[in-house]
Amino acid sequence: DAGVTQSPTHLIKTRGQQVTLRCSPISGHKSVSWYQQVLGQGPQFIFQYYEKEERGRGNFPDRFSARQFPNYSSELNVNALLLGDSALYLCASSSWTGSNTEAFFGQGTRLTVV
Amino acid sequence: AQSVTQLDSQVPVFEEAPVELRCNYSSSVSVYLFWYVQYPNQGLQLLLKYLSGSTLVESINGFEAEFNKSQTSFHLRKPSVHISDTAEYFCAVSAMDSSYKLIFGSGTRLLVRP
Repeated sequence: DAGVTQSPTHLIKTRGQQVTLRCSPISGHKSVSWYQQVLGQGPQFIFQYYEKEERGRGNFPDRFSARQFPNYSSELNVNALLLGDSALYLCASSSWTGSNTEAFFGQGTRLTVV
Repeated sequence: AQSVTQLDSQVPVFEEAPVELRCNYSSSVSVYLFWYVQYPNQGLQLLLKYLSGSTLVESINGFEAEFNKSQTSFHLRKPSVHISDTAEYFCAVSAMDSSYKLIFGSGTRLLVRP
């Protein structure tokens, strides 16, 4: 079975631009979460979606948004990019919410803002 | 709110020596506890987790961690490390009432030398 897939693997954007990152969860998983990992730090929670609804949001500005599609894949959008948005963006999928189950992480998208 | 502290940013150790990676957490509610491993240019992989029951949990590759509620700790140990254990290790918690959200520590780089 395929694991969590993220695309693209790397990209470079200019300050002020907008970016869309994509994530396909493991087949059968209905929950997708997004994390930002700045170099040298642990991942920070951005969003969780379950059954196409936002179930949790971290402490990130409104420039960050996300959505989940009927096939449970997800997109993370970041507007008006800042240099500080440079990071590894990780997507995690799990089978359901309400109680803890294992989160499976993708390999991430490395975003560089110049 | 929850927080995780990993005091050691890097732990160098010789091959076949024992190692302990320290993790302390803070939370006003009961939590689940996790250790994740991240190899270079990869996403996170779950190493082991404590949800309930026995306070000593083990992974399939020889790591173990013990939940100590009084000391709010969840230290990771291995009696004999291999070169292949070189990686970044992250301790994480999630509150039982919001288990979708993982709070990570800043990570400890385990560097195993021959």
